[in-house]
Amino acid sequence: DAMVIQNPRYQVTQFGKPVTLSCSQTLNHNVMYWYQQKSSQAPKLLFHYYDKDFNNEADTPDNFQSRRPNTSFCFLDIRSPGLGDTAMYLCATSRGTRTDTQYFGPGTRLTVL
Amino acid sequence: GNSVTQMEGPVTLSEEAFLTINCTYTATGYPSLFWYVQYPGEGLQLLLKATKADDKGSNKGFEATYRKETTSFHLEKGSVQVSDSAVYFCALSDSYAGGTSYGKLTFGQGTILTVHP
Repeated sequence: DAMVIQNPRYQVTQFGKPVTLSCSQTLNHNVMYWYQQKSSQAPKLLFHYYDKDFNNEADTPDNFQSRRPNTSFCFLDIRSPGLGDTAMYLCATSRGTRTDTQYFGPGTRLTVL
Repeated sequence: GNSVTQMEGPVTLSEEAFLTINCTYTATGYPSLFWYVQYPGEGLQLLLKATKADDKGSNKGFEATYRKETTSFHLEKGSVQVSDSAVYFCALSDSYAGGTSYGKLTFGQGTILTVHP
């Protein structure tokens, strides 16, 4: 059974047109993470939530925002996508300590035209 | 800061060959170490992990031992299969629990493995 679900799996948008990606989890984990993964590269952490406590990475562009309305759901909003934002976006969850496994969703492949 | 270095890829092997993917790390404290695998078009999934020095993680015939003295966590498998073809990521989790680290992962650059019949 899927534990971390991402929708949509594929998204095509136009340059500058806002887009929202969603993530839901059935694990009741405290922490939810959003990663950006470009072709043939390692995932790059954008931000994460511990419950409702939002933690942004220092180099995450302001164009990227996130919302976590409840424990189960988290959203990634890209306000004005550029061509360079074409990537796979991965959501993950964990209980949030150094020994815990992160559980990843299947990802949303975003293409900006 | 923390960092993870993996061996250069891609790696191409014949079925039943022995696999080693090297991974070394730099960390200030006592990190947990992980190997994640990513199959084409999918998210990452945990392959194995070790949370303290000298621990050995193992799963599906893969093994890795946490070596603090050499700051390494090399992945090995005695006999690879075509179905093992994927990208393998070594990662570490920040060494202090709580605070603002929240289990953040630092990834290596990934190693593409292709296994031929």
